[in-house]
Amino acid sequence: ETGVTQTPRHLVMGMTNKKSLKCEQHLGHNAMYWYKQSAKKPLELMFVYSLEERVENNSVPSRFSPECPNSSHLFLHLHTLQPEDSALYLCASSQVSGTEAFFGQGTRLTVV
Amino acid sequence: AQSVAQPEDQVNVAEGNPLTVKCTYSVSGNPYLFWYVQYPNRGLQFLLKYITGDNLVKGSYGFEAEFNKSQTSFHLKKPSALVSDSALYFCAVRDFNQAGTALIFGKGTTLSVSS
Repeated sequence: ETGVTQTPRHLVMGMTNKKSLKCEQHLGHNAMYWYKQSAKKPLELMFVYSLEERVENNSVPSRFSPECPNSSHLFLHLHTLQPEDSALYLCASSQVSGTEAFFGQGTRLTVV
Repeated sequence: AQSVAQPEDQVNVAEGNPLTVKCTYSVSGNPYLFWYVQYPNRGLQFLLKYITGDNLVKGSYGFEAEFNKSQTSFHLKKPSALVSDSALYFCAVRDFNQAGTALIFGKGTTLSVSS
């Protein structure tokens, strides 16, 4: 719908599991972002990739590991998560020299 | 550091009445300002932006926003609310001089339009 596709849409994982979230953009953008949206809290910027290089990492725990193999794809690798990591994880993309960002539909993550 | 404040957790308005959702910002330089809307279990949808020029910007679905530099505000408005406008609204900012940096969002305001 918006040119940014996230999979899966829903994910339930145990605290000892390893899983990955995937984001793909079809907009020709060269910057990609991961945000975390928890109930009753502001959107938290997690990671920023600009021209496939990580340029920002906002004190995110090491149990979250991003990967940007090319300008169209972004992954978030998850391992040994905690229940408080349950949230909606949103991917976005934009042009580095552009203005607005476009968001995917999000992955609803539940850690049990 | 950049920041955005949305002072209201919720705004209630009757259908057909005008609505305003408030936003104030703080940036070190000139701002890029944005409004996004989020429907349940969906991502954020871009509504409108202010970059430069006319202080009143028009966006999708009949929404508009007024940039006020002296008050560092960027309030979202609509002359006549619809029930379908009920959603979560986010204001966002980016420093004009920091290309490539991410948008910083406010905590969001829930708009509830009653019929």
